Amino acid sequence: QVQLVQSGAEVKKPGASVKVSCKASGYTFTSYGISWVRQAPGQGLEWMGWISAYNGNTNYAQKLQGRVTMTTDTSTSTAYMELRSLRSDDTAVYYCARDLGATVGFDYWGQGTLVTVSS
Amino acid sequence: SSELTQDPAVSVALGQTVRITCQGDSLRSYYASWYQQKPGQAPVLVIYGKNNRPSGIPDRFSGSSSGNTASLTITGAQAEDEADYYCNSRDSSGNHVFGGGTKLTVL
Repeated sequence: QVQLVQSGAEVKKPGASVKVSCKASGYTFTSYGISWVRQAPGQGLEWMGWISAYNGNTNYAQKLQGRVTMTTDTSTSTAYMELRSLRSDDTAVYYCARDLGATVGFDYWGQGTLVTVSS
Repeated sequence: SSELTQDPAVSVALGQTVRITCQGDSLRSYYASWYQQKPGQAPVLVIYGKNNRPSGIPDRFSGSSSGNTASLTITGAQAEDEADYYCNSRDSSGNHVFGGGTKLTVL
């Protein structure tokens, strides 16, 4: 069965970086893209960006351009999301999701990773 | 601000029908997908495309679209349907965008 398993919770200071991993199993990793979505406490879902697991092409949300980098390691079927220059409003649960494109959306999600940014 | 607009909260009596809507100009060009999220859990895809349900989603969930509005309908709402519901589509740049979410209460 398809599974996306994310790394554990992180606590970071303002200005630091965080890297969250998302290990996929149960399907051919390079056949689908991965999107990252975050959710601040008590708030809605925010799409952060997408990476093709086939060729590494990326597309980031404009508001995060310059601070976010998404990568994949096809040898381990793992996607990564790094966010730099962390601020308190980056405190959120970060999800990875298998992205089937515009006509379908996100059919499988990771369990979420809480990133807390606090001095 | 979101380019997809949802009502913040909707309520429905147990067993009745409820429609949750999502408005945005991009919906004239793209279908919406719909996600159910219960407290402390990851979102779950419930409707995608014209009106498609992933395996395991009850057939009381259905989707439709007209003009700039997409709708998620729950026919015969159950207590376990109480959750937040989010629509997702594309924005004017072709990137994914979520609606602000609708909190559904089943009375």
